[in-house]
Amino acid sequence: GDSVTQMEGPVTLSEEAFLTINCTYTATGYPSLFWYVQYPGEGLQLLLKATKADDKGSNKGFEATYRKETTSFHLEKGSVQVSDSAVYFCALYNAGNNRKLIWGLGTSLGVNP
Amino acid sequence: EAGVTQFPSHSVIEKGQTVTLRCDPISGHDNLYWYRRVMGKEIKFLLHFVKESKQDESGMPNNRFLAERTGGTYSTLKVQPAELEDSGVYFCASSQSRQTGELFFGEGSRLTVL
Repeated sequence: GDSVTQMEGPVTLSEEAFLTINCTYTATGYPSLFWYVQYPGEGLQLLLKATKADDKGSNKGFEATYRKETTSFHLEKGSVQVSDSAVYFCALYNAGNNRKLIWGLGTSLGVNP
Repeated sequence: EAGVTQFPSHSVIEKGQTVTLRCDPISGHDNLYWYRRVMGKEIKFLLHFVKESKQDESGMPNNRFLAERTGGTYSTLKVQPAELEDSGVYFCASSQSRQTGELFFGEGSRLTVL
């Protein structure tokens, strides 16, 4: 079945460092890919998405490109801030298969000033 | 516009007791979902309502879990009797579209079974 493999954390960075969180997937057909984020004390919220190959999702300085050839959707940010400290989840949605969000384990990010 | 609200935010119960979690979706969202995250594991789908009907309940672990959605508005998830392995965070989400991965989540209800 469909699955998502996400880089395990925790990840600790200094402010203004470059961030990459790796995410790869296995799926039949053409799933949509998502990054969700959970800030401390808050619910999950959509950070960005991509619905087809080569699409780039972006939001709040974060980017991820849907790479079908490598089945990847890595999250990147050029300069992290303390306020980016959160848990990041990669997920896929396959309308042609099970039609529910399939999640990675989540990666906890801490950013030090 | 109010978001998805869940309560209680945290519940601590003894094994064998009953707990009921409640979710109020965003107004006008016909689709309501329950997901669960057990510590150290992925978030897993439990079930999906379209209005008051269960569209997909394939993720419900066993018959100790009962979900309802009265009148297509709020939903409850009852665990009876609770077991230790039921501990985790229960997320509720809603959406307007029936087939989408773009969901609006609540803050979650943390359940601890002792």
